[in-house]
Amino acid sequence: AQSVAQPEDQVNVAEGNPLTVKCTYSVSGNPYLFWYVQYPNRGLQFLLKYITGDNLVKGSYGFEAEFNKSQTSFHLKKPSALVSDSALYFCAVRDEGDKIIFGKGTRLHILP
Amino acid sequence: DTGVSQNPRHKITKRGQNVTFRCDPISEHNRLYWYRQTLGQGPEFLTYFQNEAQLEKSRLLSDRFSAERPKGSFSTLEIQRTEQGDSAMYLCASSPGETNNEQFFGPGTRLTVL
Repeated sequence: AQSVAQPEDQVNVAEGNPLTVKCTYSVSGNPYLFWYVQYPNRGLQFLLKYITGDNLVKGSYGFEAEFNKSQTSFHLKKPSALVSDSALYFCAVRDEGDKIIFGKGTRLHILP
Repeated sequence: DTGVSQNPRHKITKRGQNVTFRCDPISEHNRLYWYRQTLGQGPEFLTYFQNEAQLEKSRLLSDRFSAERPKGSFSTLEIQRTEQGDSAMYLCASSPGETNNEQFFGPGTRLTVL
């Protein structure tokens, strides 16, 4: 079965600093990977996806993610964090039938 | 707003009562998904539809849960004889139907069973 793991429950970053939210995956076959963000009292919002092609994927709000096959990782990154980036971030992988398997989430705190 | 909508946003009920939630997907999205999210966890898949056909149900979906999408547009999720363990956020998502498309999520319905 497909799965993803987010090893950090919480990440704290100072505003203006680069941020990384970690994700590793375990899949059979080709991985189809996603990042979603959840703000308080709002639904999950799609940030970016990796299907095939370039290992560096660019997404919404200045986020990007790097697919690393040898390390089975798909870390989310942003060069300069904003206080408004504070939210709950979910890594996810496509499973059979096109349903999505989510990680437990990482809470990102950007400190002013 | 042309996003996914869910109603109600909040539902408080007593144990043993039945509840029904509604999801309106993005227009012309063929696929509709239901997920459940509990505190401190990521969303967990419950079931999904391709048009009006329910194609898959998770083992999480006990016999007390039933979902329908009768005309291939909106969907309902009913929970019969609610239990306190059913308390969660119920999320609906839709996608255009092509493989590997991202899913667009609604704001969710928060269920509290007393």
